[in-house]
Amino acid sequence: QVTLKESGPVLVKPTETLTLTCTVSGFSLSNARMGVSWIRQPPGKALEWLAHIFSNDEKSYSTSLKSRLTISKDTSKSQVVLTMTNMDPVDTATYYCARIVREGGPAAHFDYWGQGTLVTVSS
Amino acid sequence: SYVLTQPPSVSVAPGKTARITCGGNNIGSKSVHWYQQKPGQAPVLVIYYDSDRPSGIPERFSGSNSGNTATLTISRVEAGDEADYYCQVWDSSSDHRVFGTGTKVTVL
Repeated sequence: QVTLKESGPVLVKPTETLTLTCTVSGFSLSNARMGVSWIRQPPGKALEWLAHIFSNDEKSYSTSLKSRLTISKDTSKSQVVLTMTNMDPVDTATYYCARIVREGGPAAHFDYWGQGTLVTVSS
Repeated sequence: SYVLTQPPSVSVAPGKTARITCGGNNIGSKSVHWYQQKPGQAPVLVIYYDSDRPSGIPERFSGSNSGNTATLTISRVEAGDEADYYCQVWDSSSDHRVFGTGTKVTVL
């Protein structure tokens, strides 16, 4: 059974760094076809893709947030970590991690999602 | 960056057909995926690679993609289909995953 679960602080202060962890089960991050993305959704707004990482450590970041984001993985712990620096109240959102399986090529879909974690940025 | 545009809302009577569009430059050359999101829940994949349905998704959900518009069609709409729907593609020029602006489907 494939599951993804996000964890991290529920409240961060402006200018602080956010660290979120996605713990996966039911598949291995070392599998050549597997990747994980981070996606966020401000309250009442649309989904926004942030970053992805694949088993070969290939990474990609949203252009608008690239300078603030770092994605990494610890295969032994089955975890993908996202850090976002210099948090601002506009970064208040539910943050999701989701799995991609590149069976048919790079344009694959997100087949499993975590439940999401709401992060509020406020002093 | 690649932009996907969806109508903010679509209203449909039970038993009728809802069509949700997703507009993008030459989107017909890309693979489009669709997600359903109900309030307080994570998105769920309902259509992938333009028109494939994951197991467990009713046949009432179908998709098409051509030219500058992809379409998610929900036939014989039920009250349980009321949700937000998002299209998504992979933009090869930037290696970015892109989501549409989202459409709220209301069942009258």
